[in-house]
Amino acid sequence: QTVVTQEPSLTVSPGGTVTLTCASSTGAVTSGYYPNWFQQKPGQAPRPLIYSTSNKHSWTPARFSGSLLGGKAALTLSGVQPEDEAEYYCLLYYGGAQPWVFGGGTRLTVL
Amino acid sequence: EVQLVESGGGLVQPGGSLRLSCVGSGFTFSNYYMNWVRQAPGKGLEWVANINQDGSAYSYVDSVKGRFTISRDNAENSLFLQMNSLRAEDTAVYYCGRDQRWNHDYWGQGTLVTVSS
Repeated sequence: QTVVTQEPSLTVSPGGTVTLTCASSTGAVTSGYYPNWFQQKPGQAPRPLIYSTSNKHSWTPARFSGSLLGGKAALTLSGVQPEDEAEYYCLLYYGGAQPWVFGGGTRLTVL
Repeated sequence: EVQLVESGGGLVQPGGSLRLSCVGSGFTFSNYYMNWVRQAPGKGLEWVANINQDGSAYSYVDSVKGRFTISRDNAENSLFLQMNSLRAEDTAVYYCGRDQRWNHDYWGQGTLVTVSS
């Protein structure tokens, strides 16, 4: 069974920079996994932020960026704002019978 | 404006059935893969199923195979999830989402399914 692993929690100071990562149990994450990133706040539906590793949606703030880093997918927040406190999920594409797998999520605290 | 609106959730007994619906508007529904994703209370997101543009191909997470069936009616801009033999662990908010080939860009607000006696 494929497992996608994210940091359970991270803390960052306002104005700081933080990188969240997304690893695959199958090996290095490449662009062929088409990493998607989502932000979810309590009581709300997930909000898409990034697709295909580094592409932003029209509503994605400029301080969010996606990349591949050390064999993982990465989401970097630069100049963190208090409103960025949320749960963040990655989603990877594996194709085949179960094409998509979510990571377990990272709870980001802005403190 | 792209919109996805789910309905059909509710309370059902273990072993029972439920049919979820998702209506899309503001885009050409038949051009997109569609997905169901769920989130159990206090837990993370889980991809459940998807279906291609004309409904001829679909995939499921192992835990629902043989119990859930995804389908669509492009004439009605609608996506469905027929859920049979429901278990307590199927309790979750179910979201439908549009998939523009590896780009999950729009999701609905979700519908809550509670499986309990």
